[in-house]
Amino acid sequence: DAGVTQSPTHLIKTRGQQVTLRCSPKSGHDTVSWYQQALGQGPQFIFQYYEEEERQRGNFPDRFSGHQFPNYSSELNVNALLLGDSALYLCASSSPGQGAETQYFGPGTRLLVL
Amino acid sequence: AQSVTQLDSHVSVSEGTPVLLRCNYSSSYSPSLFWYVQHPNKGLQLLLKYTSAATLVKGINGFEAEFKKSETSFHLTKPSAHMSDAAEYFCVVSDVTGGFKTIFGAGTRLFVKA
Repeated sequence: DAGVTQSPTHLIKTRGQQVTLRCSPKSGHDTVSWYQQALGQGPQFIFQYYEEEERQRGNFPDRFSGHQFPNYSSELNVNALLLGDSALYLCASSSPGQGAETQYFGPGTRLLVL
Repeated sequence: AQSVTQLDSHVSVSEGTPVLLRCNYSSSYSPSLFWYVQHPNKGLQLLLKYTSAATLVKGINGFEAEFKKSETSFHLTKPSAHMSDAAEYFCVVSDVTGGFKTIFGAGTRLFVKA
């Protein structure tokens, strides 16, 4: 049973560019959350998707957007990249889609913005 | 408003001695509390979870945590440290009241000396 997978593992972009990160949830999970973890800090909640809709959002600007597909996989898009967007981006999946259920994390995508 | 405070940014112990990682939380409602561990270049792994059942929660790898509502604490302990326990530990509070919210602490880096 595959756990949460993310792609790519590493990415280098320049300021002003756009990036798309991808996540496949653990089998049987229908809810995907995204987090940003800056170096030396704890993960910060970006948003959560359930039934292909954004259910909750943290304190992140509109440059951060997402999508969830019918197969529950998800994408995180970041537009107009800033140097401060350099971080490890973590995807977490959970079930059954409500409640403070246990989240299972992927290995993350490390984004470097130059 | 929710918040999580991990009282120590770094903890150093000798192998075979007890481990104590301290966490205080603030939540308006009855939260779910978690401890996650993050080894270098690896994803977050769930150690244990409290969801208003028993106040003493046992997790994996010999870790346990005690929920103390009067002290708003959820400290993580282990009787005997192993070299493989060296990692970053995160205390997490999660609450679905008013919308899903998950807050991570800043993390505690555990060093284990031989």
